This record gives sequence, C-alpha cells and structure tokens, in this order.
Amino acid sequence: AQSVAQPEDQVNVAEGNPLTVKCTYSVSGNPYLFWYVQYPNRGLQFLLKYITGDNLVKGSYGFEAEFNKSQTSFHLKKPSALVSDSALYFCAVRDTGATNKLIFGTGTLLAVQP
Amino acid sequence: NAGVTQTPKFQVLKTGQSMTLQCAQDMNHNSMYWYRQDPGMGLRLIYYSASEGTTDKGEVPNGYNVSRLNKREFSLRLESAAPSQTSVYFCASSAVRQGTYEQYFGPGTRLTVT
Repeated sequence: AQSVAQPEDQVNVAEGNPLTVKCTYSVSGNPYLFWYVQYPNRGLQFLLKYITGDNLVKGSYGFEAEFNKSQTSFHLKKPSALVSDSALYFCAVRDTGATNKLIFGTGTLLAVQP
Repeated sequence: NAGVTQTPKFQVLKTGQSMTLQCAQDMNHNSMYWYRQDPGMGLRLIYYSASEGTTDKGEVPNGYNVSRLNKREFSLRLESAAPSQTSVYFCASSAVRQGTYEQYFGPGTRLTVT
C-alpha cells in the first residue's frame, strides 16, 4: 500500500535559521510527490511538486524540496525561516491507481520563533 | 477564475440533522474529491468522482453520500449527523494536463455536530 510518513509532529526553528520538514514515502513505481501548506483556519495551498526530472524542486515562498530516491524521501527546506512560515505542512503522494487521489501524511506543525 | 469554492464555511448541527456541503470548480477538471481533516490524522478521502457521472468510496465513506451534479459540482451529504463527523471538510479537484498533475483545494467547511 502506498503511504507517506511525516515523522515529526512539530518542528521549531528560530527566524533566520534554515528549516527542514521531513517526509518519507512508500509507493510502487515512480512517485508524484507534493507539499501543501495550511495556515490557521485556511484551506490547503500548493507549495511544490516533484513529477520527474531535477531532484531539487523549487516552489512558492522560497521553499524547495529534494527528492531522494534511494532514501525514499522528499524533505521540504528553506534557507532562512520567517515567522510568517509558521503553519501546518502536509506531504502527499499521488495514488498510482485509478483515483488519482492524494495520500497525505499526518502533517507537521512548523513554529518559527522571532 | 475562482478555483474551488465551498459552501458553507461554518456549520453547527445537532445529532441526527442532515445537511449538504456544496463544492464547485471552474478549472474544467475531470476529477473531484471530498476529504476530511482531523487532528493528527492528516486528510482522509471520503468519496471521489473520477469523472462526471461516476462516484466511488474512499477510505471513510460511512455516514456520507455524494452527488456529481455535473462536471463543475460535487456535493457531500450527511443524512443523519453524528458527533464523530465533527471535522473540517475539504473539496478538491484534479486533472492531468500536459504530462503533469495538479490538484487544488477549496477553503474548507468547518462542521461541528453537537
């Protein structure tokens, strides 16, 4: 069965420091991987995706993610965190069956301290 | 271009009451989805519609029904609400275009069942 794991419920980082939010996946075949962000009381906003090609994917708001096939990981990164980056982050993988649904991780709360 | 819209944004129901959550998308996407979000559980798929005229169960369909009214609209109905259905509900739509996959979410409906 396909799955996504986000091993950290919460990540704390000081403003200006680099941040990493971890994600590992388990799929058959080549994965389509996504990161979404959810601000308080808001819907999910698309950040970036990996379909194929370059392992380093750049997305919105200065975020990037590195696809690592050997480690089955797709960690989200940003060189310098902002307080406004504080939000709930979800990693997801596209189902390879007929539904095209996304399978989500449980989410990681990012807290950036000033 | 409004993307994915949902109504209502908030709703409080008493146990046993019924209601319909509305969703519409203007991106000409074939597939539409209903997810629920609960703390620590990520997003779980309730029902999906791969194309107009078809609907299928997701991971947690019990207590819900759906209607794909046309290509734009996909509604979710709670026939007899239960406290366990207190959650945030997200509608989404998706398409595969030019070799890439995109899925977009509505702003969510926050439902409380007392």
